[in-house]
Formats: sequence, structure tokens, C-alpha cells
Amino acid sequence: KAGVTQTPRYLIKTRGQQVTLSCSPISGHRSVSWYQQTPGQGLQFLFEYFSETQRNKGNFPGRFSGRQFSNSRSEMNVSTLELGDSALYLCASEAGTGTYTQYFGPGTRLTVL
Amino acid sequence: GESVGLHLPTLSVQEGDNSIINCAYSNSASDYFIWYKQESGKGPQFIIDIRSNMDKRQGQRVTVLLNKTVKHLSLQIAATQPGDSAVYFCAEGGVPNYGGSQGNLIFGKGTKLSVKP
Repeated sequence: KAGVTQTPRYLIKTRGQQVTLSCSPISGHRSVSWYQQTPGQGLQFLFEYFSETQRNKGNFPGRFSGRQFSNSRSEMNVSTLELGDSALYLCASEAGTGTYTQYFGPGTRLTVL
Repeated sequence: GESVGLHLPTLSVQEGDNSIINCAYSNSASDYFIWYKQESGKGPQFIIDIRSNMDKRQGQRVTVLLNKTVKHLSLQIAATQPGDSAVYFCAEGGVPNYGGSQGNLIFGKGTKLSVKP
């Protein structure tokens, strides 16, 4: 099976702009989680989607949002970018049916200037 | 809030030696624990997991030990190789249900393993 894919891999934006990141989970997986990874804070959970519904959300401001489509692909959006949003954004795919192992994509490196 | 922490931020070992990476967790309600390996420029890669009803689980060259009494988790890597050089994260989560973990994993800060040839 193909792994988790994320696009784009690298992105440079300026403050105030918005950005949309995309994630395609492993075929058959219905759960998609998003994480932000920074050197200072490590891996922090953003939100999780299952069957197009957000089931869980981390402690991030409302500028961070996401959605999931019927084919389980997911997008996350960050509006009004701040310098502190520079990070590696990771998407994780999980079968979502009684298992709990998350498989990560390579991430999108976002740099905010 | 409760979090997962690591005792050793860096670990340097000789090729061929065994490595032990430690992790402390504080949430006694956590039901499962996972170890991930992250190489530079890549996303975390699943290594091994363990449920709270177990105290040991073995994989290929890796063993995870869980001590619920002291809330401690460790990852043992046998015959460490240069390809094992990476940052290792432990993660903890609550009780999985039909819908899986629901993304609710808490990660530690990570331990960097450096293998000297």
C-alpha cells in the first residue's frame, strides 16, 4: 500500500496570508490527524477527522482549521499567518476501526516570513 | 496538563552495542504507548507499541518495556546500527475504541540517538 502523502512538501508564506495543506491517507484508513512540530514545542496535536467529522481538537487558536472529504483526504488551513506558525505540519493516518497506530506522512515544512 | 517526558535528550552509542531510550509518563489513565523513530527530513515512523495490560513486547531488534508502577517506558534496541541514528519519540494515548485513538496521542520531546561506527 502507498503511504501517507502530503502536499506541498515545502511552503513559504508571509505574515497575514493564509495557507492550505493537503493530506492523503493510506488507502482504507478513515482517520486523519494533524500535528504541528517545532523544535521548542515538539509534536502537538491539532485535530483529528473521521468520516468527514472532526472528533477531537487540540489547543490551537481558531485560525487553524481542517476538513475531511468523503474519500478520507484531508486539508488543513491556517489563516492570518504569524511568524510562530513556522513549523513542520504532519498528517497521520489511522485505520480508525479499533486500532490506534498512526502512520505519518513526510510533512509540509511551512516557513512564515 | 499531563504530558510525556524523556529522561535523556541525547544518547550516543557505539555500533553493535545495545541502546536503551527511556520515557516517563504522567497520565495513569493512558492505555497504550507507542515508540516512533524520526529521521531528518522525514515524518515519524512507527516502531512498536504496547498496551497497558502488558509489561513487555518484542519486535525485530527492539523491545519495549512498560513499568506502570513507576510510569516508565523504555525502548531497547539490540545491536545498534548506524541506520538507527534518529530522534525517538514515545507517545501515550487513552483507551482506544471502535474509532481508534481519535488522534489523541501525547508525544514526548524526543531523544536523539547517535550511533558511532
